[in-house]
Amino acid sequence: EVQLVESGGGLVKPGGSLRVSCAASGFTFSNSSMNWVRQAPGKGLEWVSCISSSSSYIWYADSAKGRFTISRDNAKKSLYLQMNSLRAEDTAVYYCVRDYTYWYFDLWGRGTLVTVSS
Amino acid sequence: EIVMTQSPATLSVSPGERATLSCRASQSVSSNLAWYQQKPGQAPRLLIYGASTRATGITARFSGSGSGTEFTLTISSLQSEDFAVYYCQQYKNWPPNYTFGQGTKLEIK
Repeated sequence: EVQLVESGGGLVKPGGSLRVSCAASGFTFSNSSMNWVRQAPGKGLEWVSCISSSSSYIWYADSAKGRFTISRDNAKKSLYLQMNSLRAEDTAVYYCVRDYTYWYFDLWGRGTLVTVSS
Repeated sequence: EIVMTQSPATLSVSPGERATLSCRASQSVSSNLAWYQQKPGQAPRLLIYGASTRATGITARFSGSGSGTEFTLTISSLQSEDFAVYYCQQYKNWPPNYTFGQGTKLEIK
């Protein structure tokens, strides 16, 4: 089955760090560029970061630059997002998402909730 | 940054009727526009890409149109499973800087 499964969400204090992960299956992960998209409670969708298939190219939304780091391990078919200096406004469901040639998002995971609160 | 604006914020339509959702871009995105459906507690699902091409497995009741800055998602003969939130997304930017509309909630009238 083609799927993405996120893990690693949880409660973290402001200023803290957290790493969320995504396990891919059912498709050739090493050929796919991947993204993190987040959704704050009751809000819309916000793109966070994109990584090319070989990790050669990485892009971030302004809200993530300098605090978040996207990475991947093609051998493990896994995508990661290291989040540092977390703020209350980073509270959201974080979705692991495959894009089609850097265009639209054609495969979404179910998401993992990150809550930043004291 | 390209700003995407959807209207209306909430649309109330009766089952069996047609729904028309709008999306406007702050600058031309050509046909680099996608539509997604999101039901409560679920991840978004791709419906339309290239402004008018249905994604795999999407019923022909969903159709997209438009180019440049004005886009429309039309859902004909609404079924109960169609009531959800719909988002548009542009992918014109390079390097990637994807932006979404704020969403339109389609509710049962």
